[in-house]
Formats: sequence, structure tokens, C-alpha cells
Amino acid sequence: GAVVSQHPSRVICKSGTSVKIECRSLDFQATTMFWYRQFPKQSLMLMATSNEGSKATYEQGVEKDKFLINHASLTLSTLTVTSAHPEDSSFYICSASEDGNVAFFGQGTRLTVV
Amino acid sequence: SQKIEQNSEALNIQEGKTATLTCNYTNYSPAYLQWYRQDPGRGPVFLLLIRENEKEKRKERLKVTFDTTLKQSLFHITASQPADSATYLCALGYRAGNNRKLIWGLGTSLAVNP
Repeated sequence: GAVVSQHPSRVICKSGTSVKIECRSLDFQATTMFWYRQFPKQSLMLMATSNEGSKATYEQGVEKDKFLINHASLTLSTLTVTSAHPEDSSFYICSASEDGNVAFFGQGTRLTVV
Repeated sequence: SQKIEQNSEALNIQEGKTATLTCNYTNYSPAYLQWYRQDPGRGPVFLLLIRENEKEKRKERLKVTFDTTLKQSLFHITASQPADSATYLCALGYRAGNNRKLIWGLGTSLAVNP
């Protein structure tokens, strides 16, 4: 299957700082990328959908000024958690799709804000 | 209300047996349904996609059925192996006006005992 690389896999940051997470599609062009958040024993919660070259579409309840998404190219999207707080600690996962249906996921990023 | 449900209880089976996981949905107009595997601390891995007009799809030891009358998909793993132990997620792609959205189940944990 197609490969999506997400980096970093783990990050610990201090409260009030910003963290950037990268998501790259390595062997296909991702017309659409998705960012999810997952709490323990919970389902994936879609945060936003981004298409290359346009602004991301955020799901209801997700602060776009806090979770900045940039989909600068067909192979790269970034999620920046700004002014992180302990309640932002979670597992963040990106996925990328070439056809808008099947999505391939990155490895996930475990964010811990202390 | 709209929802998607998977067996909440973990499934324990003996190696070599067939594992059957269930995904039920209500009040959606489905376009397709996908099954993913997720290992602890990792992003989901795509397994199979079945469209609304398909009854069954197979891939090696995996078989998925889709019954839009019963609003149910069954996911089978034949000749199960301990390496099949993981959480299996179903995701329903559905029409919302002119858009397509994806909703995820909570997943079913499968343990295959040697």
C-alpha cells in the first residue's frame, strides 16, 4: 500500500509552546489530507480536512487558530499546535488520500504537554 | 441519531479459527465502507474497501460483506493467526448533501490465542 510518513512520532513540550507535526505522502500525490485526534479507547476524531493549495476545512468545535494546518504541496501537510496546553496532549494522526476515498495513515504522533 | 457501532467487547479466538467482526450503522446513506487495522500506538492500516453496490469482497484471508438492507458489514479473518491480534476499525463513507464524509467506529479488539 501507499506510504505516509508522519514526524515526529513522539514529542514532549512545555505548556505555552508550539509544536509542528509533519505528514508526507512518500509515493503518491495526496489531493486530500486529514488530521485526526484520538484519545485512549476512543474512535478517531476528525479535526480538519485539507486540500493542496487551499485552506483547511475544520470540523465543528476545532479551533483553527489553535490547530494551524498547512497543505503546501501534494505530498506535505503540517499541523501546528499553537500555545499548547496539557489538555492538548493526545495522539494525533494524519491520513492522505489520492482519490478521496481510501486513506493511508501516518504512524501517529504522541504529544505530551507538560 | 446517526451512529456506527462495532462489537464493544474484545473478541478472543483460537488460532486457526475464523474471526468475525461486526459493524452496524444507522441513518446514513452509505457510499462505501472500509476496514482498517490499528496496533497500539500506531496509525490505522487500510485493509479493504467495499462499495454500496458490492455484496462481498475478498483479499487473501480477509472477507468483507456489506448488507445495506441490514445496515451491516461483517469482516472475517479465516485461518486466524496470533499476528492478526489488533484492533479493527470500520469507517463508513456517506453522503452529506453534496459532500462525502467518513465516520469511524470505536473498533473491536481481537486476540488470537496460539
